[in-house]
Amino acid sequence: DADVTQTPRNRITKTGKRIMLECSQTKGHDRMYWYRQDPGLGLRLIYYSFDVKDINKGEISDGYSVSRQAQAKFSLSLESAIPNQTALYFCATRGRQETQYFGPGTRLLVL
Amino acid sequence: QKEVEQDPGPLSVPEGAIVSLNCTYSNSAFQYFMWYRQYSRKGPELLMYTYSSGNKEDGRFTAQVDKSSKYISLFIRDSQPSDSATYLCAMSVLTSGTYKYIFGTGTRLKVLA
Repeated sequence: DADVTQTPRNRITKTGKRIMLECSQTKGHDRMYWYRQDPGLGLRLIYYSFDVKDINKGEISDGYSVSRQAQAKFSLSLESAIPNQTALYFCATRGRQETQYFGPGTRLLVL
Repeated sequence: QKEVEQDPGPLSVPEGAIVSLNCTYSNSAFQYFMWYRQYSRKGPELLMYTYSSGNKEDGRFTAQVDKSSKYISLFIRDSQPSDSATYLCAMSVLTSGTYKYIFGTGTRLKVLA
């Protein structure tokens, strides 16, 4: 079984809709991250969490919110989706030192 | 200027070739240097990370860091078609008590059989 899972894997939605992307991990890591990946821009950090009570904004948090429901679960919400939020979204956990473990990604298309 | 620059490729090489992938950076405070491999429709997976200048070897892969030139490289020896993927460099710096990660945009590599 994968250590970091994301659901859904693909999602098509319309402008203005609220959607939630979910991430679960079985690695027992406290630190979890949400990134988006766009062609030519690389991976950019949206939010990160060091534990259930510690949520921090990344470089591109506008238009997004997160919830850390448990050590193993970290959800990303788009309150009112817009087309420029079309991207590939990755959840990651961080273990010892610099070892980040990424999920398989969610491909989101906002029409 | 981006903090991390990486040639997007694509880079096509014949099987068995030595591949050299490179990144340059501008922030001399970067402390950790990492290489990730990302297959199509998959998440990035960590290949190697290093802290200091010099070389670090793991099987067919060698990571090289030159802090004086702000330049890092990943060498792949005896490249295989299964090495075809996008390679991302990443760097981290301690900022306000936590590590901030900056990723390159990735270089797409194709190894031809």
